[in-house]
Amino acid sequence: EDQVTQSPEALRLQEGESSSLNCSYTVSGLRGLFWYRQDPGKGPEFLFTLYSAGEEKEKERLKATLTKKESFLHITAPKPEDSATYLCALDSWGKFQFGAGTQVVVTP
Amino acid sequence: DTGVSQNPRHKITKRGQNVTFRCDPISEHNRLYWYRQTLGQGPEFLTYFQNEAQLEKSRLLSDRFSAERPKGSFSTLEIQRTEQGDSAMYLCASSSDRGEYGYTFGSGTRLTVV
Repeated sequence: EDQVTQSPEALRLQEGESSSLNCSYTVSGLRGLFWYRQDPGKGPEFLFTLYSAGEEKEKERLKATLTKKESFLHITAPKPEDSATYLCALDSWGKFQFGAGTQVVVTP
Repeated sequence: DTGVSQNPRHKITKRGQNVTFRCDPISEHNRLYWYRQTLGQGPEFLTYFQNEAQLEKSRLLSDRFSAERPKGSFSTLEIQRTEQGDSAMYLCASSSDRGEYGYTFGSGTRLTVV
């Protein structure tokens, strides 16, 4: 059975303090690993799709990387507006299986 | 097209009542999904449609839940005889067949059963 585990559950950062979020997964055949950002009271917002080990994607202060067992979301020099819950998800035969998310708070 | 639209945004209902939610997907997307999310958890899959065909339903979707997508356009999710455990955010999402850009989610309907 496909599984997704995210760590840490919560992360508190000072503005400018870079860090990484982890998404560990087990899957019978990777059809895509997705990262989303979710703000309170809103639906998740698509960030990245990764398909194969070694692949990297970047967007502003965010960079997602993928190995055969894990994906990392690196946040470089975060700003308060990067505060959100970050979710990763596996494409599991036409539907997504989400992790529980990492709640990130960036303080000025 | 302004994205995926869900109505209502909030619903408070008494236990035992029926509720219905509506989702209008992005017009060119032929896949539509329903997810449920509780506090501190990621979204959990409920069901999905390809055009008007309901292709899969989760074990989470008890007999009290039913979803429709007439003519492959908007979708409705109905919960009959609501229970307090049904309180959650109900999220709708849509995607194209390839799905390489993931889903586009709506803002959700927050259901509170009292």
